[in-house]
Amino acid sequence: GAVVSQHPSRVICKSGTSVKIECRSLDFQATTMFWYRQFPKQSLMLMATSNEGSKATYEQGVEKDKFLINHASLTLSTLTVTSAHPEDSSFYICSAPPVGPSSYNEQFFGPGTRLTVL
Amino acid sequence: GENVEQHPSTLSVQEGDSAVIKCTYSDSASNYFPWYKQELGKGPQLIIDIRSNVGEKKDQRIAVTLNKTAKHFSLHITETQPEDSAVYFCAASIGTGTASKLTFGTGTRLQVTL
Repeated sequence: GAVVSQHPSRVICKSGTSVKIECRSLDFQATTMFWYRQFPKQSLMLMATSNEGSKATYEQGVEKDKFLINHASLTLSTLTVTSAHPEDSSFYICSAPPVGPSSYNEQFFGPGTRLTVL
Repeated sequence: GENVEQHPSTLSVQEGDSAVIKCTYSDSASNYFPWYKQELGKGPQLIIDIRSNVGEKKDQRIAVTLNKTAKHFSLHITETQPEDSAVYFCAASIGTGTASKLTFGTGTRLQVTL
């Protein structure tokens, strides 16, 4: 149980185009999902918290108009990188804590999406 | 906000030896401490976690200890195997519920040599 999927696993796009990344919780519901970015040989940096049915909350320094987040259902959150540029090239990872009686939030991570902007 | 420091950044051990990774956190309100293993090109995988009301937890070859007074926690891997080679991240979070954010350490690259 507690499986999170991401699609696509890797994408290459031209500078100036937009790219959408999907994050799905396959066997549980998640009212909250988190989006991270990871540069090579670095740690995970939280970009934003996706909230089902309401606006996402962004971490300081993350442009909300550039990284559009939509949490349309209890099993799907999407991250759209708008007008992508080479500096947006990175490994994007989502995570989701299952909704349930647990009083602590275990987070389960997706396999990541490798974005390369040419 | 919370700050998590992790040491060492790289660790090389021989197969069968033990490996220890240490983390410290800054916010005494943190109450959940997971450890993740990340293989190259993959997402992090939760391998063990500990909550603030527990001092130690063990799962087969993996154990985690927590010292709330000193605000540090450690991952112990015994009888290491080549498949344990990966990057390990500690993390900490405050509060309860699904909206609690994780703050990650900087990672430890573990290499298990034959």
